[in-house]
Amino acid sequence: GAGVSQSPRYKVAKRGQDVALRCDPISGHVSLFWYQQALGQGPEFLTYFQNEAQLDKSGLPSDRFFAERPEGSVSTLKIQRTQQEDSAVYLCASSSGTRSDTQYFGPGTRLTVL
Amino acid sequence: AQSVTQLDSQVPVFEEAPVELRCNYSSSVSVYLFWYVQYPNQGLQLLLKYLSGSTLVKGINGFEAEFNKSQTSFHLRKPSVHISDTAEYFCAVTFGRPLVFGKGTRLSVIA
Repeated sequence: GAGVSQSPRYKVAKRGQDVALRCDPISGHVSLFWYQQALGQGPEFLTYFQNEAQLDKSGLPSDRFFAERPEGSVSTLKIQRTQQEDSAVYLCASSSGTRSDTQYFGPGTRLTVL
Repeated sequence: AQSVTQLDSQVPVFEEAPVELRCNYSSSVSVYLFWYVQYPNQGLQLLLKYLSGSTLVKGINGFEAEFNKSQTSFHLRKPSVHISDTAEYFCAVTFGRPLVFGKGTRLSVIA
């Protein structure tokens, strides 16, 4: 693929529902990041993978948030028992793996919890 | 810990005028610095980055930024803006891998 893709682009959930957000990184990129962007704010780091290993999950706001990347490619961010404060744009980014590499971002998934 | 402060939340400017978007950072170690642009309903696109070497960095769409270590700043400039430059601009720093972003500056170009 030409870039990072995310699906769905928009998701509306009722409070208490579980949601799953998908990220397809650029082919061959070993690093994958998830960020949360609240309205009017800059993106904030959630979690980071190097291949299939989740190396940093310090940004996940609660144990309701879970991310996986089982085969080192596609990643899924799951939010259980969604709350209104989870409403945000969830951005995925990938990079080729070295510390200084550019992170390429997908278009994001806009989650609205009613 | 690292942090980024974007001093202006909104910057209105007339078309063909120059613009500067300000960014200051705080870090106890050397960092890499980035500017990203976000158009409505799109992801973030890299404008430019500073890793090392020359402190003046040139990016896409005629933007440039200057790294000033003593002032811990990385201001973004463009000598003449176009309507299509209207967007949200984010400054970011990293030493490790996760990026730390500022809150963004909304650039509005007025015809």
